[in-house]
This record gives sequence, C-alpha cells and structure tokens, in this order.
Amino acid sequence: DARVTQTPRHKVTEMGQEVTMRCQPILGHNTVFWYRQTMMQGLELLAYFRNRAPLDDSGMPKDRFSAEMPDATLATLKIQPSEPRDSAVYFCASGLSGGFYNEQFFGPGTRLTVL
Amino acid sequence: AQSVAQPEDQVNVAEGNPLTVKCTYSVSGNPYLFWYVQYPNRGLQFLLKYITGDNLVKGSYGFEAEFNKSQTSFHLKKPSALVSDSALYFCAVSSPGGDDKIIFGKGTRLHILP
Repeated sequence: DARVTQTPRHKVTEMGQEVTMRCQPILGHNTVFWYRQTMMQGLELLAYFRNRAPLDDSGMPKDRFSAEMPDATLATLKIQPSEPRDSAVYFCASGLSGGFYNEQFFGPGTRLTVL
Repeated sequence: AQSVAQPEDQVNVAEGNPLTVKCTYSVSGNPYLFWYVQYPNRGLQFLLKYITGDNLVKGSYGFEAEFNKSQTSFHLKKPSALVSDSALYFCAVSSPGGDDKIIFGKGTRLHILP
C-alpha cells in the first residue's frame, strides 16, 4: 500500500528554534508539493518540485522557510527561525507529472506548534 | 487563471437525507476536477475526479459528483448521508497541458446530524 509518509507527526518548539519536516513521496512519483493548513487561511501551497527541481515557491516566506529535495525519496521543509504564526499543519503531497491527471496523494501531515 | 469557489463554509444535513456540497470553477479549456475529503487529524483523501466523458462521476463511500459545463459547476452529492460523512470537503481543479498544480477551494465543513 503506497503512501506518502511525513515525519514528525507532531512538533512543539519554542520561538526562534529551527524546525525540519520530512516527507517521503510515493516511490515513482516525480512531483512533490508542500502545503500549509490553518483555520484562517485554509490550504496554502508553499512549494512545488518536479524531478527534484523547485518550480514554484512563491507561497513560501523566503526569509525563514526553505524547501529542498536532497534525493528522489526525501523532501524537506525547514523553518529558521520559527515564529508562533508558523503554527499550522504542514502537508506533503506527491504525484506523477503527466499522469493521474494531476491527482495528488497526501501525507498525514505534521502538526507544528511554535510557543 | 484557475480558481475554485465553494460558496458554503458549512453544510448541515440530517442523517439519511440527501446531501449536496457545491463547487464552481474557472479554468481555461477543459478542466480536470477533483473532490477530496479530510477527516479530523488526517490528510486529504481522494474521493473522485472528472476527466472527460460521462458527466456523472461515482467515487468512494457512495459519493458522486455531477459536472455541468454550462454552469461551470461540479457539485458533490450523496443520496443518503451518514454521520460518518461528517468531514471537511475540498473541491479542486487543474487543467490539461498546464503545470502539475491543483487549485483547491477553501473547503466546506459537512455536519451530518444524527
């Protein structure tokens, strides 16, 4: 049963600390998306990769957020320094460019609380 | 530019009654349309999609959606609601030949009342 996995599932940290969230896309998928979900803003696209190359990170605060794909099986989202307003659920999704008609498969999310 | 509108933040339906969750879209050309469901403390799960062909699409858990090109709508429906259908529902759109992104609506919270 192929699934997107995310770690950690929950993270509580203090303001100013670095936070790293990890995502393992479904094997064979070549697109990865990072979303942030809050009550106020709903689901926001932060960054998007195809074949490990970043194609769109316009939704991401550049001064503190960074997203990378060190290899095809790992995507990371880092926040440094973290702020209370970053508290949210962060989802990773993967897909197959040109396949599945752009359907995305979501991970379970990382719930981040910044105190 | 692509966009999706879900006009209702919340829909309340009595158990056993039919339910409809509304969605309208705007996209250049023919759309790919999706419905996803999110249960509490879970990620989004795919329910169904429209690509082409029959305007009535059947999906998981007894849900179906009707594509209406003239009204640019893709409403989600179920003939008889269950309490377990209570969740957050997202409509989404993408376009063939475009990039890989899906544009999501803001979501509609569905409450099924026992």
